[in-house]
Amino acid sequence: RKEVEQDPGPFNVPEGATVAFNCTYSNSASQSFFWYRQDCRKEPKLLMSVYSSGNEDGRFTAQLNRASQYISLLIRDSKLSDSATYLCVVNQRNTGFQKLVFGTGTRLLVSP
Amino acid sequence: SAVISQKPSRDICQRGTSLTIQCQVDSQVTMMFWYRQQPGQSLTLIATANQGSEATYESGFVIDKFPISRPNLTFSTLTVSNMSPEDSSIYLCSVEVPSGNTIYFGEGSWLTVV
Repeated sequence: RKEVEQDPGPFNVPEGATVAFNCTYSNSASQSFFWYRQDCRKEPKLLMSVYSSGNEDGRFTAQLNRASQYISLLIRDSKLSDSATYLCVVNQRNTGFQKLVFGTGTRLLVSP
Repeated sequence: SAVISQKPSRDICQRGTSLTIQCQVDSQVTMMFWYRQQPGQSLTLIATANQGSEATYESGFVIDKFPISRPNLTFSTLTVSNMSPEDSSIYLCSVEVPSGNTIYFGEGSWLTVV
């Protein structure tokens, strides 16, 4: 079983649609969680951290369910510029060192 | 945040040769990380590099193949040794920003081995 699992997609949605991505992780000792965005042939960039209480940043909402080891990302009112691969990332900090474990990513295509 | 510069941005190399990738950060950071992203795959951590100590390698990666230097708090190098086509990948340098629990990435070095 992969440490971080995501549906690879692609998710094809029209502009203005709402789309949700899910992610599960296997290590219950994982300490922090993130969504990164990676554009084609570019480096990953931090989109948002994910907290148990849920957090929102504009059109983006992230949720964490520790009991189910499940993370989600909701994008409302999709824009063409949202087309990218969204990486679910889990931080398995161990003896003071960060260790980020990346999912394989979910590809989103927003069309006019 | 941190500004991270990697060199080279891309290269085509002959098999059997070695390539050293440089990573420069605009501020002092304790922890630097090297990742690999093979075509169509996600990122895999190669090693963690702290200044003044030997790098810590992840399972499947060894120092002879991927020697790392970390001479100061703003700079690191990763060498890909005795390259084969299987080493064709993006190599990414990243740093942990001291002020927060966040990791930032350089633009990556795109390596093709022929």
